Amino acid sequence: EIVLTQSAASLSLSPGERATLSCRASQSISSYLAWYQQKPGQAPRLLIYDASNRATDIPARFSGSGSGTDFTLTISTLEPEDFAVYYCQQRSNWPWTFGQGTKVEIK
Amino acid sequence: EVQLVESGGGLVQPGGSLRLSCVASGFTVSNNYISWVRQGPGKGLEWLALSYSNGDTHYADSVKGRFTISRDNSRNTVFLQMNSLRGDDTAVYFCARGRGAAGGTFDYWGQGTLVTVSS
Repeated sequence: EIVLTQSAASLSLSPGERATLSCRASQSISSYLAWYQQKPGQAPRLLIYDASNRATDIPARFSGSGSGTDFTLTISTLEPEDFAVYYCQQRSNWPWTFGQGTKVEIK
Repeated sequence: EVQLVESGGGLVQPGGSLRLSCVASGFTVSNNYISWVRQGPGKGLEWLALSYSNGDTHYADSVKGRFTISRDNSRNTVFLQMNSLRGDDTAVYFCARGRGAAGGTFDYWGQGTLVTVSS
């Protein structure tokens, strides 16, 4: 099973700041990585697929990069609605797995 | 508008069974991948099962042999039959539409249904 490690359990940032979230895979997953945002009491929302492609209606301030084992989600300028938990997920190998999540909280 | 609506959750005793339903609208399940994903209380996300558009299925080891995913195309609905439930199956269960190769990217999700396994 591929383990995805999100190095930060939480990030404390202010609106307007840049957020950089990381996700490391236990073995190469090519570019088969997605990022999701989840707010309390809600379902996850797809942000980025295949490492760097924004999903439909996702603002341009969200961007993804990386390949192989190291991936990054960047939020260029945090808006109030961006404070949430972010998960990475791989579809390279069975079973598909998620990272444990990074909570972006207001400083 | 694409929507997924889960139902069927509730309180069940250890060893019991439940069947969850996921009704789709705005698209047809017959030519789409549908997965079930769960989230334990205060925990992360765990993929459980996939129903391919051709009817094939795939499962996580944690539920293989206990859970069965199936679909009724005439009702545009996907099911998750859960047997031999344990305390660690307590979670919110989401269904999600899959895109990309083998449907491994989840572009639409339902709101979830809570399953509590307790005596």
